Parts: sequence; structure tokens; C-alpha cells
Amino acid sequence: DQQVKQNSPSLSVQEGRISILNCDYTNSMFDYFLWYKKYPAEGPTFLISISSIKDKNEDGRFTVFLNKSAKHLSLHIVPSQPGDSAVYFCAASGSGGSYIPTFGRGTSLIVHP
Amino acid sequence: DGGITQSPKYLFRKEGQNVTLSCEQNLNHDAMYWYRQDPGQGLRLIYYSQIVNDFQKGDIAEGYSVSREKKESFPLTVTSAQKNPTAFYLCASSISTLSGTQHFGDGTRLSIL
Repeated sequence: DQQVKQNSPSLSVQEGRISILNCDYTNSMFDYFLWYKKYPAEGPTFLISISSIKDKNEDGRFTVFLNKSAKHLSLHIVPSQPGDSAVYFCAASGSGGSYIPTFGRGTSLIVHP
Repeated sequence: DGGITQSPKYLFRKEGQNVTLSCEQNLNHDAMYWYRQDPGQGLRLIYYSQIVNDFQKGDIAEGYSVSREKKESFPLTVTSAQKNPTAFYLCASSISTLSGTQHFGDGTRLSIL
């Protein structure tokens, strides 16, 4: 049973536009959420995180929004660039005192020039 | 330059043979992890170690074994008992299992012939 769900396997956007990647979770005990970016044949790299005490965290072109009541978070990339083309993994942690992340299946983002 | 080194990048083995994947980190992190990634799947936790000489099973530990004799090293053995070993294997580390942010190696792709 997936506790972290990324329901869109892929997303295609035009360069300069906004990319919105979505993530839902089922375990209300999660209190720390992360996004990782992964290029082919490489390991994931940490992108941005958010604690459950916040509803928004911003880092340059990347913003993560958290809606605890809906158990939903989203990653916004503005403006999108071709170099952003990668697989994005959502992860959640904090359940039962464990901060080992539970990962979603990923969303493949393609940004067209 | 600190980081995690996984070797080799590609590994081929005959069915029925055990194979060991290497993971070394120079980040002085206490916690280390092994994940498996299959196409269209998220990262699934195989084993993790909070400290030297200690390790715990993750969600899919059957058919795998690990050791943690040194802080820097966390090798993973894929045994002949693992029924479907062909996959992309990722090693990660973090300051502790209470830190949600992990650093990943570039992975090893294992193919069983």
C-alpha cells in the first residue's frame, strides 16, 4: 500500500512556463517532506524540503506548498528550464519517530525549449 | 570533495551467483542506506545502518545481506535467494536516521544473465 503517491508519471511543459508536480500522502503522522531530483544513471539529489509546521517553502525558482488537511504537497518550478528535465521524487518522513523517507514513484518532467 | 562512491556502475553476473555492491562515503555520516529502484517504481528500502556494527532490515530485505564494519563502508550482497535481482541499486547516507535529508551515490545497475 503506497503511503506516498505521485499520480502523474510524466509532465511536459514549455520553457519559461510553470511546472507543478503533485504528491499525496496517506499517513497523517508524516511531518517532514522532501523533493529529490534525479537525472538518468545518477543518484537523486536533494532539492527542497518542508516541515509540517509550515505551508510554504521557497528556494529560488523552486517552491513547495503543503496542505496538511488534504495530505497534499506540490512543487512549483518557475520559470521552467530545459535543465530541469529529470525525474522528481516526493518523499515523506517522521512517522513513528523514524525520519527514513518513504518515496513516491516519481514524476518525469520534460521541459521543451 | 565529499560524497558517496558506488562501484561498479554496471555489474553483470550469472544466475545463482552471489554478488557484492560497494558503497563508500567520506561525509562522516553515521547512517547509511541501500535502496532498489525498478522502472516506474519509487525507491524501496532494502537495509539501513544507524551506526557501525548495526543494521536493520528495510521493506524488501529478503535475498540481500549487508555489513557495517567501518563507518565509511556499507557493502550490499545480492544473494542467489533474491528472485529478481536485476535492478538499479542506490546507496545513501545521512548524518543520522533522524535527519531526513539523504545524500546518494550514482548507483549500480545489476543485470543477471
